[in-house]
Amino acid sequence: GAGVSQSPRYKVAKRGQDVALRCDPISGHVSLFWYQQALGQGPEFLTYFQNEAQLDKSGLPSDRFFAERPEGSVSTLKIQRTQQEDSAVYLCASSFSGPAHNEQFFGPGTRLTVL
Amino acid sequence: AQSVTQPDIHITVSEGASLELRCNYSYGATPYLFWYVQSPGQGLQLLLKYFSGDTLVQGIKGFEAEFKRSQSSFNLRKPSVHWSDAAEYFCAVGARSGGYNKLIFGAGTRLAVHP
Repeated sequence: GAGVSQSPRYKVAKRGQDVALRCDPISGHVSLFWYQQALGQGPEFLTYFQNEAQLDKSGLPSDRFFAERPEGSVSTLKIQRTQQEDSAVYLCASSFSGPAHNEQFFGPGTRLTVL
Repeated sequence: AQSVTQPDIHITVSEGASLELRCNYSYGATPYLFWYVQSPGQGLQLLLKYFSGDTLVQGIKGFEAEFKRSQSSFNLRKPSVHWSDAAEYFCAVGARSGGYNKLIFGAGTRLAVHP
């Protein structure tokens, strides 16, 4: 079966533009995570969905960041008025529901460059 | 606060040599620990995980890791490295909350393999 897919794979935005990043999780996966990976760093947690409910958004760096998963499958991470510090790879991961030790399956990421 | 430290930013080994990548964590309870590998342009792939039980865990691609509670360490090992193992390796701890894992990653260790 298909893994986690993300689109676009690369995005270049001018400072101040809005961007939308899409994540298609593995079919049937209830849990969905977004992470931000700055250059030379490990991924950092942004937000977590269980089905359509956003249960944790503690990692979102500012109110310019917004995520949704309206039907409990595809998720979109939106960044408004992009800034240069938003340049990073945005990773999406999904997992089955249930025990917290279930493996998170990661997508290839979207590399965002803000000029 | 939970954290993960990977002391080695870059490691170079010869093909066929043994490998050990270090990971130290800080976590208040019994940790869930993970090692992921990231190849260029690829998402993170899980190598192995530890939740409980035997402190020596086996993973894919011939990797193993040993959990040492007294040292707060979870070092990754491989007896004989192949050129295809060149990649970036991330150690992570699962910060459990409400039945899901918020992964906290180290900064990564980049592995180069000489022929």
